[in-house]
Amino acid sequence: AAGVIQSPRHLIKEKRETATLKCYPIPRHDTVYWYQQGPGQDPQFLISFYEKMQSDKGSIPDRFSAQQFSDYHSELNMSSLELGDSALYFCASSYALRYREYGYTFGSGTRLTVV
Amino acid sequence: GENVEQHPSTLSVQEGDSAVIKCTYSDSASNYFPWYKQELGKRPQLIIDIRSNVGEKKDQRIAVTLNKTAKHFSLHITETQPEDSAVYFCAASTNAGKSTFGDGTTLTVKP
Repeated sequence: AAGVIQSPRHLIKEKRETATLKCYPIPRHDTVYWYQQGPGQDPQFLISFYEKMQSDKGSIPDRFSAQQFSDYHSELNMSSLELGDSALYFCASSYALRYREYGYTFGSGTRLTVV
Repeated sequence: GENVEQHPSTLSVQEGDSAVIKCTYSDSASNYFPWYKQELGKRPQLIIDIRSNVGEKKDQRIAVTLNKTAKHFSLHITETQPEDSAVYFCAASTNAGKSTFGDGTTLTVKP
């Protein structure tokens, strides 16, 4: 079965550059979540979208923005990158109305390294 | 790589009963084990965690146990309430920052 696809898997950027992370949810999933996980830390929730509208927001810096498109894929845009932004970024998707049956699925993550 | 298995995938209990969710992991280097609760349409919330130097941890009605030898850890919820109904995720993590999640358990507490 198709899983949550994230691209790229690895990304190296310099400070003050911009990065765009993409997430393609499982077909028919209508909710997308973004997480940031620093080394040795638990995932931190950033933001989520349900039916292309922002549904919840966590500790997302103002330098970051995200959106969900008409085809349900989502992009996380990160500007003015800082060394502290180096982390593993997870995307997860779910089918909100039937989550009790399907739960939600994480992607493999994008490892961002800011140098 | 790490592999985390979580059971059961669904669990239904009567209000006031206890609920137990179990996870196993494969990487002996994993040393941090959080549990997340996710309500419908909301982000997963960390509810309790345990580190490899501790065998058990309790917070009110929630407790987590860890058996490093057997590579498994469990979540125990006592005196369940309808508001405990949610999806629960376990995860295993190493100092390298990689975290692997279980597939989730949908807990339903019937009034």
